[in-house]
Amino acid sequence: GIQVEQSPPDLILQEGANSTLRCNFSDSVNNLQWFHQNPWGQLINLFYIPSGTKQNGRLSATTVATERYSLLYISSSQTTDSGVYFCAVDPSGGSNYKLTFGKGTLLTVNP
Amino acid sequence: EAGVAQSPRYKIIEKRQSVAFWCNPISGHATLYWYQQILGQGPKLLIQFQNNGVVDDSQLPKDRFSAERLKGVDSTLKIQPAKLEDSAVYLCASSSRDSYRGSGTDTQYFGPGTRLTVL
Repeated sequence: GIQVEQSPPDLILQEGANSTLRCNFSDSVNNLQWFHQNPWGQLINLFYIPSGTKQNGRLSATTVATERYSLLYISSSQTTDSGVYFCAVDPSGGSNYKLTFGKGTLLTVNP
Repeated sequence: EAGVAQSPRYKIIEKRQSVAFWCNPISGHATLYWYQQILGQGPKLLIQFQNNGVVDDSQLPKDRFSAERLKGVDSTLKIQPAKLEDSAVYLCASSSRDSYRGSGTDTQYFGPGTRLTVL
């Protein structure tokens, strides 16, 4: 099956810093989503981004489908950004629209 | 619009007991997913429904896990008998994708999860 690798596995920032999270995947994809899992375990959709660039406030994401990677940018980080960020993909050619998740990046933002 | 609802939020049982989880997806969403998330890992798909039919249950341990979505709306996931390694968070998600009708989107929305501890 498709492989999803996220880096770095852990990241510690001071409030106000910027960061870039990376997701590499081993095959072409129909669907790529970024999620934030907050400390209470809730998975929250950030972006649906199988290709191109999107921005939402301090967050933006870029997927370069031809090179099989996606980047999540967090600017001016806040303590509420802490949690685990997951990249999840649905490979092209599949007909079931199911997601395979990476292992996540644990982000800690200190005040 | 109400989100995905799950209950209970927490459950503690002893090994070999049975347990059931309930999920109500976003209204009108045709596709429903159950995931298992073990501590420190990403969610892993257990079973996927479209309306009341199973689309994919290839990673469901069928000797002990079962799931149903009888009326194509809410769903239950059961474990019987539970093992220690079943301790995890069980997440339900839904999307509006309806592959039979060729409609909807693939964006998945998750419920708050049920944290299961097997002692």
